[in-house]
Parts: sequence; C-alpha cells; structure tokens
Amino acid sequence: QSVLTQPPSASGTPGQRVTISCSGSSSNIGSNTVNWYQQLPGTAPKLLIYSNNQRPSGVPDRFSGSKSGTSASLAISGLQSEDEADYYCAAWDASVGWVFGGGTKVTVL
Amino acid sequence: QVQLRESGPGLVQPSQTLSLTCAVSGGSVRSENYYWSWIRQPAGKGLEWIGRIYTSGSTDYNPSLKGRGSISVDTSKNHFSLRLSSVTAADTAVYYCARGVMVRGLMRLGWFDPWGQGTLVSVSS
Repeated sequence: QSVLTQPPSASGTPGQRVTISCSGSSSNIGSNTVNWYQQLPGTAPKLLIYSNNQRPSGVPDRFSGSKSGTSASLAISGLQSEDEADYYCAAWDASVGWVFGGGTKVTVL
Repeated sequence: QVQLRESGPGLVQPSQTLSLTCAVSGGSVRSENYYWSWIRQPAGKGLEWIGRIYTSGSTDYNPSLKGRGSISVDTSKNHFSLRLSSVTAADTAVYYCARGVMVRGLMRLGWFDPWGQGTLVSVSS
C-alpha cells in the first residue's frame, strides 16, 4: 500500500478535462513540495510537474498541478490520445524518504 | 543533456546479491545540487524509492529494505552502483537510476530528472 493515495484509474474523451488527486499527510505533502511523473507504456517515468505547479521545458501547458494542505492534484485539460499513460505523484516523507502514489492509469475513450 | 543508463545481470539467484551500475553521461556525478538515486518498479505495480547517494558519499535508504541496500559512487568512472543483498522473489522489478535535484540544498524540495531507461532484474533459481 502506497504512502500517497491516488485513484487507480481516470478516463475522458478527447478534449475533456481530467483531474487526478493525490492524498498524503503532514509528514509528506503537508510539509514538502509535490512532483508528478508520467509513464508512457513500456517506458521510464518522466518528470511532468515539479514544485507543485511548475512545468519542465517541453511539457505542454494543458498539464497543470496544484497543492492544498495535505493533498495535491494534476489536471489535464484538452485531453489527447497521447496522454494515455500512468501518472504518479511523489513527495518527500520525513520518516521514509521519497514516497510515491500508487499511480493512476489515464485512458482516453 | 544528462543521460543515465543502467546495466547489470538480469537474473539473480535467491539469497544472492543484486548488483547494478548506472553510467552517467553528459554531466558529472560530482555536480553540486544533485544526488543520485535508485528507484524500482515491480511488474504492474507502483514506484518504490530505494535510496540515494550524494557526491560526498553520504547515503540514505528506504527503511523498507531493512539494511540490505548499499549505494556507492565512482567519480573516476562517472557512475554509481546499487548492491542489494539477500534478495528474494519480492525484489524482482525494473530498476531505474535517476538524478535527484536539490533546491536550496534540500532534497525534500527537489525532484527526479532525468531517469534511466530501466533494467529488469528477476530473482529466481
């Protein structure tokens, strides 16, 4: 069982907005920044969002992140077929070190 | 840009020691504001942080490993390595190396970028 809690799946039709939640506690999300990683099928994870809401160069602006208290969320607006992937949130935990969510599989219908 | 590549045996026998190396190109393992980590992913499951090493040689490990993990860095070869002892089938996973970015000297405010392509290690007799 992962320290950070994500829904196992999310879906939407092309063009829709999809939101993925990530719930933690005061020892991780509540006191540190949150990052999001995208893992396309058969590939390594790739940094998607860092420091709660910052996009690395090359990441489309349809991806956005936010954090409030001990929870964070990732939004994908204008969903595209190439966004089908697994998405993981991550944060530093005072007791364990880096912890990840269990991952959310996004399906484009 | 910095690239990472994992290498090592794809099959390890139970109770033996898993050994992997991550070669760093396009950058130096001695770079300040970065550290070097191992992360693994069992088939069909989520990500688990194994541990990290800083250029100074200081290390941290996930407590879940119960002292079985050891990470080292070789600055002359510009690579870092993972050793995981007393492996069982539960250690079967894709192992990734990744560069950790620090913010204001703090890991907890940073992120992982880039990641290696990953290497599958199976524990079986």
